[in-house]
Amino acid sequence: SQQGEEDPQALSIQEGENATMNCSYKTSINNLQWYRQNSGRGLVHLILIRSNEREKHSGRLRVTLDTSKKSSSLLITASRAADTASYFCATAPTGANSKLTFGKGITLSVRP
Amino acid sequence: DGGITQSPKYLFRKEGQNVTLSCEQNLNHDAMYWYRQDPGQGLRLIYYSQIVNDFQKGDIAEGYSVSREKKESFPLTVTSAQKNPTAFYLCASSSRGAGGSYNEQFFGPGTRLTVL
Repeated sequence: SQQGEEDPQALSIQEGENATMNCSYKTSINNLQWYRQNSGRGLVHLILIRSNEREKHSGRLRVTLDTSKKSSSLLITASRAADTASYFCATAPTGANSKLTFGKGITLSVRP
Repeated sequence: DGGITQSPKYLFRKEGQNVTLSCEQNLNHDAMYWYRQDPGQGLRLIYYSQIVNDFQKGDIAEGYSVSREKKESFPLTVTSAQKNPTAFYLCASSSRGAGGSYNEQFFGPGTRLTVL
């Protein structure tokens, strides 16, 4: 079952532009996480935002969480060609369960 | 040098054979996970373990088996009962955070399994 649904499925932008990716989910969460995957590699954790947080920053990344709308957005500012990758949101359910549910991902292409 | 390793990187299997994928972590993490990723798809959870000698089925456990005899190791066996095993397999681990919740997951580099 895939709780997180990312939007758009694919995004192509010019280097220097900002990239915004969205994620919607269905059930109550403890936290929401964003991961990045370069082609043929494992995932790398980018940022975690807890259900009682509304916004979080890490370098060029900005994540927002709206629990009333059950949605999150990931903003990458001043994109670089090296940001080209797939990006996944993952939701952690409330309770002590350690499972994450991943979306299908967004393919970001940054043109030099 | 802490991290999570998977071996082999590429694996070829004949139909009807069982194969075992290795996953080792030296991060002292309690929880470990196995995911399957098909082309253009997200990750689907196969099995996970929160403690040694215990594990739970994920969303697509049929045709797979695991063991957790040591904290550092969580091998995955793809059995002949798995009808479509060709995929990219990812192992991950995470630590327990405050209040019993779990922190972010750290991933290995993956094993690409191809059935010939």
